[in-house]
Amino acid sequence: RKEVEQDPGPFNVPEGATVAFNCTYSNSASQSFFWYRQDCRKEPKLLMSVYSSGNEDGRFTAQLNRASQYISLLIRDSKLSDSATYLCVVAGNTGKLIFGQGTTLQVKP
Amino acid sequence: GAGVSQTPSNKVTEKGKYVELRCDPISGHTALYWYRQSLGQGPEFLIYFQGTGAADDSGLPNDRFFAVRPEGSVSTLKIQRTERGDSAVYLCASSRRQGSYEQYFGPGTRLTVT
Repeated sequence: RKEVEQDPGPFNVPEGATVAFNCTYSNSASQSFFWYRQDCRKEPKLLMSVYSSGNEDGRFTAQLNRASQYISLLIRDSKLSDSATYLCVVAGNTGKLIFGQGTTLQVKP
Repeated sequence: GAGVSQTPSNKVTEKGKYVELRCDPISGHTALYWYRQSLGQGPEFLIYFQGTGAADDSGLPNDRFFAVRPEGSVSTLKIQRTERGDSAVYLCASSRRQGSYEQYFGPGTRLTVT
């Protein structure tokens, strides 16, 4: 079983749609949680950190449920420029990042 | 300012050859990480340096892989007797300090073993 599991998709949605991605992790000792974005043939870039209290950054909302070991990302009012792969990431106390497979989002006009 | 740079951007080599991949972290970043990303997968951790020492090399797949960071800045990932299964994008990331999780990634080196 992979340490971080994501549905690879692809998710094909129209512009303006709301889309949600989920991720589960197996190591209950994981301490920090993130969503990274990766464009085709580019490096991953930090999108946002994820906290138990939930956090929002513009159209993006991330949520963590430690009891269920579950992380989510909600994107509202999707834009064409949101098309990318979204990587769910967990970390222990050393800074080593464990990535999920990534979920591909394609926003269509 | 300058980000993480990696050279070469692409490397094609024959099975059995030796390769070196270089990473220049962001100036002042003390922590440096190497990851490997195969097609359709997320990056997979290889090794982490804090300063000059390898703090965690648990992700190196076997003893053909080795990495150094002799002066605590530039790092080189070395792969001996390359195999076709080593073909992947090798990503380097750096962060300001140990345990600081905002890691900044370089553009990667795309390694193809023929």
